[in-house]
Amino acid sequence: NAGVTQTPKFRVLKTGQSMTLLCAQDMNHEYMYWYRQDPGMGLRLIHYSVGEGTTAKGEVPDGYNVSRLKKQNFLLGLESAAPSQTSVYFCASRTPGLENTGELFFGEGSRLTVL
Amino acid sequence: GQQLNQSPQSMFIQEGEDVSMNCTSSSIFNTWLWYKQDPGEGPVLLIALYKAGELTSNGRLTAQFGITRKDSFLNISASIPSDVGIYFCAGPSFHSNYQLIWGAGTKLIIKP
Repeated sequence: NAGVTQTPKFRVLKTGQSMTLLCAQDMNHEYMYWYRQDPGMGLRLIHYSVGEGTTAKGEVPDGYNVSRLKKQNFLLGLESAAPSQTSVYFCASRTPGLENTGELFFGEGSRLTVL
Repeated sequence: GQQLNQSPQSMFIQEGEDVSMNCTSSSIFNTWLWYKQDPGEGPVLLIALYKAGELTSNGRLTAQFGITRKDSFLNISASIPSDVGIYFCAGPSFHSNYQLIWGAGTKLIIKP
């Protein structure tokens, strides 16, 4: 069972370059999320999607764009990378629940370094 | 806004020791979630708590939903090397049905 798969796992960019992180889930989950993790700061939500064709801003959306053209995929784009975007990025997905208690399933992370 | 404060930030423990960590907030939460992140991996849900006063176990792990609904505790008994990692508490945001609020994590390190 693949679960949530992120590609690439590692990437080094120069300031100003663009790139896209791909997240794919095979659990038919409606909700998908992109987080970034920085030392001592826990997980911060960048963008999320509650269904195919929908996206919404999270806590730290500036400098990122997302698209959810297919239910199973959620793309995170950096149009012009900055050193402040050096981080580990995690994709997660879950099913909707009557309460906001649905378990989040995370990918293994993508480590991005911007020089 | 809602915030979750975890303590301690990190802890060094001897194998076999019991471990306690907690998560507090100035806001009320109706659900408390405890996740563990192994090195190089994404977080995985350990325990979910849905009712004030609830005590739930998962193997050597026990978590409690505080009576005031403003705190939660996680205990690990007889720690082993594979317990190393970062433990996060999380709870649903009041402002969005889709988002979770996350603590900054407690990092568990085993003394050699």
